[in-house]
Amino acid sequence: SSELTQDPAVSVALGQTVRITCQGDSLRSYYASWYQQKPGQAPVLVIYGKNNRPSGIPDRFSGSSSGNTASLTITGAQAEDEADYYCNSRDSSGNHLGVFGGGTKLTVL
Amino acid sequence: QVQLQQWGAGLLKPSETLSLTCAVYGGSFSGYYWSWIRQPPGKGLEWIGEINHSGSTNYNPSLKSRVTISVDTSKNQFSLKLSSVTAADTAVYYCARGLAVAGPDLYYYYMDVWGKGTTVTVSS
Repeated sequence: SSELTQDPAVSVALGQTVRITCQGDSLRSYYASWYQQKPGQAPVLVIYGKNNRPSGIPDRFSGSSSGNTASLTITGAQAEDEADYYCNSRDSSGNHLGVFGGGTKLTVL
Repeated sequence: QVQLQQWGAGLLKPSETLSLTCAVYGGSFSGYYWSWIRQPPGKGLEWIGEINHSGSTNYNPSLKSRVTISVDTSKNQFSLKLSSVTAADTAVYYCARGLAVAGPDLYYYYMDVWGKGTTVTVSS
């Protein structure tokens, strides 16, 4: 079982705003990082740290964190945003182990 | 721009040892955690482990008894070995560059560069 918990599936109407959440004790010490994965492709980092986007990631992607919950928000979702999204952090053991959430399948209607 | 190129055997028999290598092109090898992640068919991502440039490793406890990650800094390469494979080890295996730094309030940990993935199938 994952130490980071995500909803398995979320849907959003085209152009609307959607929030994908990730919960876990380790998020009180670590910012979550977020990855987008489309079928047959490697994951792509979309958000890291407090709210940082790698070069090339649209500014409709943003991140936030509060307590044990991290959120990825897509403001004005586009059809090309339909994908699986994974959060990632160190685990809560203090042993510097990596852990992923179970993933959220985002459907853009 | 940093790129990761990975390779290794794609078809194994049960009990054999999985062996994959990832080469780092276009960037520094030091200061990062060089990581392996896998994804079974239709399932989520699983963190396998990581190594830094000095050879310090961290492994997923569920795989620790079978996993060895090593580094060859002279070639800017790192490798994964997973022994005694079974069908449950069938997955796409990714290498990635990780970074863990202390922020002003929380720590940052993320993997910003990924290899394209290698499909490994374990079948008799």
